[in-house]
This record gives sequence, C-alpha cells and structure tokens, in this order.
Amino acid sequence: AQSVTQPDIHITVSEGASLELRCNYSYGATPYLFWYVQSPGQGLQLLLKYFSGDTLVQGIKGFEAEFKRSQSSFNLRKPSVHWSDAAEYFCAVGPQAGTALIFGKGTTLSVSS
Amino acid sequence: DGGITQSPKYLFRKEGQNVTLSCEQNLNHDAMYWYRQDPGQGLRLIYYSQIVNDFQKGDIAEGYSVSREKKESFPLTVTSAQKNPTAFYLCASSIDPARSAFFGQGTRLTVV
Repeated sequence: AQSVTQPDIHITVSEGASLELRCNYSYGATPYLFWYVQSPGQGLQLLLKYFSGDTLVQGIKGFEAEFKRSQSSFNLRKPSVHWSDAAEYFCAVGPQAGTALIFGKGTTLSVSS
Repeated sequence: DGGITQSPKYLFRKEGQNVTLSCEQNLNHDAMYWYRQDPGQGLRLIYYSQIVNDFQKGDIAEGYSVSREKKESFPLTVTSAQKNPTAFYLCASSIDPARSAFFGQGTRLTVV
C-alpha cells in the first residue's frame, strides 16, 4: 500500500536559518509528489509538485524540493526561513488507480527570533 | 474568482444529531474529496468522487454519507453513527485524482 512518512513531528528553526523537512514515500510506480502548507484553522495551500523531469522543483514562497528515487524521498528546503513560514507542512503522494492523494501526518514548523 | 467554498466555518451540534457540511467549487473540477483532520493524524480520506452521481468510500467512511448530484457540489453528512465526530473537515477538488488538489478553508465541527 502507498504511504507517506514525515519523520519529524515538530521542528524549530531560527529566523534566517535554512530549513529541510523530510518526506519518505512508499509507492509502486513513479509517484506524483506534493508539498502543502497549512496555517492554523485554514485550508491547505500547494507549495510545489513533482510529476516528472527535473528532480529539483521550485515552488512558491522560496521553497524547493528534491526528488530522490534511490532514497524514496522528497525533502522540502528553504535557504532562509522567515517568521511567516511558521505553519504545518504536509507531504503527499499521488494515488494509483484514481483514488485520492495520500498525506503524511505533517510537520509543525516553529520559527524562533 | 475560482475556488472552493466550505460552509459554515464553525458548526456546533448536539450528540445524536445528523449534520451536513457544505462544499461548493467553481473550478469545473471532476474530482472532489472529503478529508478529516485531527491533531497529529494528518489528513484522512472520508469519501471521494471522480464524477457526478458516483462516489467511493475512503479510509474512514463509517458514520459519514455523501452525495454528488451536481458537479459543483459535494456535501458531507456526519451521522449519529460517527463515534467521534468532533474534528476539522476539509473539502478538496482536482482536475483528476492524480493531480494537485485545491482545498477549501475547512469546517470545524464540535459535537457537545
């Protein structure tokens, strides 16, 4: 069965420091991969997506992610974190057989000053 | 502007009552979804629909029901059979199931 694992439940990063959020997936074929961000009490906003091609994908708000097939990973990165980046981040994988996206349990990012 | 509208944003109900959450989209998307979010649990799929008049159970469908009579609308009913209905409910839509989904702002349901 397909699954997504986000190993870190909560991460705290200093403002201006770099960020990497980890995501590992289990999937039988070439996956469609996504990162979403959620502010408290809000819906999810798409940050970036990978379907095929260049394994380094750029997203909104200065985020990027790298697909590594050998490691079954799709880690999210940002070179310099801003206080407004504090939120919950979800990794998701596109489904087989036309069902729905499968989400990880999320990583909460706190930004310290 | 195109988007997904969930209403109401907050909903309070007494235990044992059925309640219906509204989800409307004007993105002309065929696929629509309902997810439930609990702290530390991520998003869990309740129901999904790939086309009008057709829908499928997700991982946690027990105690919920849906309908898809119009392309734009995918209401979710939380029935009295749902043992622990208090949660944040998210509706989403997409062009097709494998593509990125667009989310509504959610409905927080509290059952007292």
